[in-house]
Parts: sequence; structure tokens; C-alpha cells
Amino acid sequence: AQSVAQPEDQVKVAEGNPLTVKCTYSVSGNPYLFWYVQYPNRGLQFLLKYITGDNLVKGSYGFEAEFNKSQTSFHLKKPSALVSDSALYFCAVRVVNAGNNRKLIWGLGTSLAVNP
Amino acid sequence: DGGITQSPKYLFRKEGQNVTLSCEQNLNHDAMYWYRQDPGQGLRLIYYSQIVNDFQKGDIAEGYSVSREKKESFPLTVTSAQKNPTAFYLCASSSSGTGYNQPQHFGDGTRLSIL
Repeated sequence: AQSVAQPEDQVKVAEGNPLTVKCTYSVSGNPYLFWYVQYPNRGLQFLLKYITGDNLVKGSYGFEAEFNKSQTSFHLKKPSALVSDSALYFCAVRVVNAGNNRKLIWGLGTSLAVNP
Repeated sequence: DGGITQSPKYLFRKEGQNVTLSCEQNLNHDAMYWYRQDPGQGLRLIYYSQIVNDFQKGDIAEGYSVSREKKESFPLTVTSAQKNPTAFYLCASSSSGTGYNQPQHFGDGTRLSIL
């Protein structure tokens, strides 16, 4: 079955340290991959996407993600974390089902806590 | 500024009552979506619409209904048939419809609770 997984429910880092939020996927064909961030009681905000091209994608707020086809991963990274980065992060992947129907599958989210 | 407006921010439903959540966008997007978010379950698609006067069921459409009479508006009705409606409801829009090659833009949600 096609799926997306965020293996860590929670990630904790110290301010100023690099952060990584993990995402792995299992899809048929070429994946379209997205990262979103959600602050408390707010909607989701788009951070970045990978459709094709350079495996390193740069997005909003200093975030970047690396598409790794062999490891079927799309981990979100930031070189230096800020306390204001504390939020819930979602990975999503577009899949194509039988009958050429497209669908977006969402990960369960990873809560990022950046400590001062 | 363009965006998506959801109202109300908080809503309470009595037993046997239907309630309607509003979603309006001024992004000129053809596609609109309704999601339900429960703690630890991520986002689940309720309904989506690619164009005015057309909409499709998502993964958890039972107990919900929608309409799409105008491009800007995609209201969601939570009917009395939905036995567990307490959740955070998110509306989104996109320029790419079911191609899903463009990001979705989200409103700030409506939190629905049972009285």
C-alpha cells in the first residue's frame, strides 16, 4: 500500500542546533512531496515541495529538505533552530491509485520543540 | 491580502442538530478541500471540489455534506448523522486541483465541540 510515515512523534532540539524532522514514503512511480507547518490553533502553512529536479529543496523560514530516492526519504532540515520553530510539522505525498486517480496522503505529524 | 477565511473559530453543536462551517477564499483557486484533524491522526479528507457545482467524497464523507455554488465558497455541513463530530476542521484551496502539484492554502480552522 502507498503510504507516508513520520517515524518520530516528537523531536526536541536546543536553540541554535541543527534540526531534522524525518519523513519516509512508499509510492508507485515518482512522488510529489510536501512539508507543512502548523502552529497551535492555526491552519497549515506550506514550507516546501519536491516535484522533480534538484534533490535539495529550499523553502520558507530557512528550511530545506533533501529528496533521497534510494532511501525513499524526504527529511526536513534547518541548520540553526529557533524557539519560534516549535510547531507541528506534516509531510505529505501525492500518490496515483489504480485508475490514475490522484490523492494526497498525510503523515501523522511530528511535534518539534526547540528549547532556549 | 489573498487567503482563506473560516468561520466561526469555535462552534458548539447540540444533539440532533446540523451545523454549517463557512469557508471563503479570494485566491481565485478552482479546487477546495475540507479536512478533519483529530489529535494524533493527521489530516483526513472529507470532501473536495475541483470546480463550481461539482464535488467528490473524500475518505470520511459519512455524516457530512457540502455545496459549491460559487467559486469562492465551500461550506461544510456537519449533520446529526455524524456521531463523533468533535474535531478541528480545516478548509484548503489549491490552484492545481487533483493534480496535487501545487501547495494547498489553509484557513485557520473551526473547532467543533458537542454540548
